[in-house]
Amino acid sequence: GAGVSQSPRYKVAKRGQDVALRCDPISGHVSLFWYQQALGQGPEFLTYFQNEAQLDKSGLPSDRFFAERPEGSVSTLKIQRTQQEDSAVYLCASGPSGRGIQETQYFGPGTRLLVL
Amino acid sequence: DQQVKQNSPSLSVQEGRISILNCDYTNSMFDYFLWYKKYPAEGPTFLISISSIKDKNEDGRFTVFLNKSAKHLSLHIVPSQPGDSAVYFCAAVSGNTPLVFGKGTRLSVIA
Repeated sequence: GAGVSQSPRYKVAKRGQDVALRCDPISGHVSLFWYQQALGQGPEFLTYFQNEAQLDKSGLPSDRFFAERPEGSVSTLKIQRTQQEDSAVYLCASGPSGRGIQETQYFGPGTRLLVL
Repeated sequence: DQQVKQNSPSLSVQEGRISILNCDYTNSMFDYFLWYKKYPAEGPTFLISISSIKDKNEDGRFTVFLNKSAKHLSLHIVPSQPGDSAVYFCAAVSGNTPLVFGKGTRLSVIA
């Protein structure tokens, strides 16, 4: 079956531009996670949804970052007024049961964002 | 301050031999540990996990060992195969707090 998909795969933005990154989780998966992975680092947690409810957004680095999952399936991560330090790979993961952090997470291929 | 540390950025092993990837952690509240494997241009893939109530978990060629007193875990791959060449991430979690990942170790298995 289809895995987690993310689009676009690559995005180049000028500093100050707004960007929107899309995640299509595995069909039927309850949990959805966003991570940010800077070059040479491991993924860092941004936010977590259970269905349409955003249960944890403690990892969002600033109020320029906003995530939504309005119908409990597709999610969008929006970054306003991008800055160079936002350059990273943004990973989305989904999980089947909604048990939260300890269930197995299935990752998408990521969106590589470069802010010039 | 890094709570999960993978101090070896890279490791090279000959095909057929054992690969040992190490991970140290500082937070004694972590109660569940996972290893993920990542190929280039793909997302991480779950490999194996271990609960803090165990000291060993085995799945085929992969075994994870946990030493709670030393706050150390290791992933053993025996025998190593060229297809195992990837970046391996150690991750840890406490209760329902978010996963904390290490920086990863790049494993190269040489034929």
